[in-house]
Amino acid sequence: GQSLEQPSEVTAVEGAIVQINCTYQTSGFYGLSWYQQHDGGAPTFLSYNALDGLEETGRFSSFLSRSDSYGYLLLQELQMKDSASYFCAVRGGGYNKLIFGAGTRLAVHP
Amino acid sequence: SQTIHQWPATLVQPVGSPLSLECTVEGTSNPNLYWYRQAAGRGLQLLFYSVGIGQISSEVPQNLSASRPQDRQFILSSKKLLLSDSGFYLCAWSVTDMNTEAFFGQGTRLTVV
Repeated sequence: GQSLEQPSEVTAVEGAIVQINCTYQTSGFYGLSWYQQHDGGAPTFLSYNALDGLEETGRFSSFLSRSDSYGYLLLQELQMKDSASYFCAVRGGGYNKLIFGAGTRLAVHP
Repeated sequence: SQTIHQWPATLVQPVGSPLSLECTVEGTSNPNLYWYRQAAGRGLQLLFYSVGIGQISSEVPQNLSASRPQDRQFILSSKKLLLSDSGFYLCAWSVTDMNTEAFFGQGTRLTVV
């Protein structure tokens, strides 16, 4: 089967840096992705890592280590609007099946 | 450009009533289609996914079923709703390759009373 683990909550202040970790177990790995979801809204895609290393997109970066079955999302220069839930996701059990973690709720304070 | 439509946005249904939620995708062909359910403050539970017309994979035994009568149409149904069926239902699509980017509809908030 497939499973993902990530912390349930993270708190940080504006302007800070926060890292949200994700460990996964899956039969067949086709990449790790990250999504953001604001309260009441739909998830939106942030990033995707298929290979080891760091991918940077503006204030957000995502890292993958396939040997450790581990990745993280790094959010820099935090803003109040970054307060949301963040989900890691993998394709497993066949690359058409997209499985999400339970989500990490990020609260950014002034 | 591709768009995904999901309706209705909110729904209040009595226990024992039927359910039909519809999702359609525009601007792409042969997408993978997904139905997820999200309880308040929780993660996304994969309910069904489909790689083609009439091809449905069920992930969790439950009171729900799904159908894909057309390439870009995905329907979630129930014959008799339970209180436990309440939640936020999300339809999503992705291209049929290893890129894990999925695009979500705006969701349906279902309350069973």
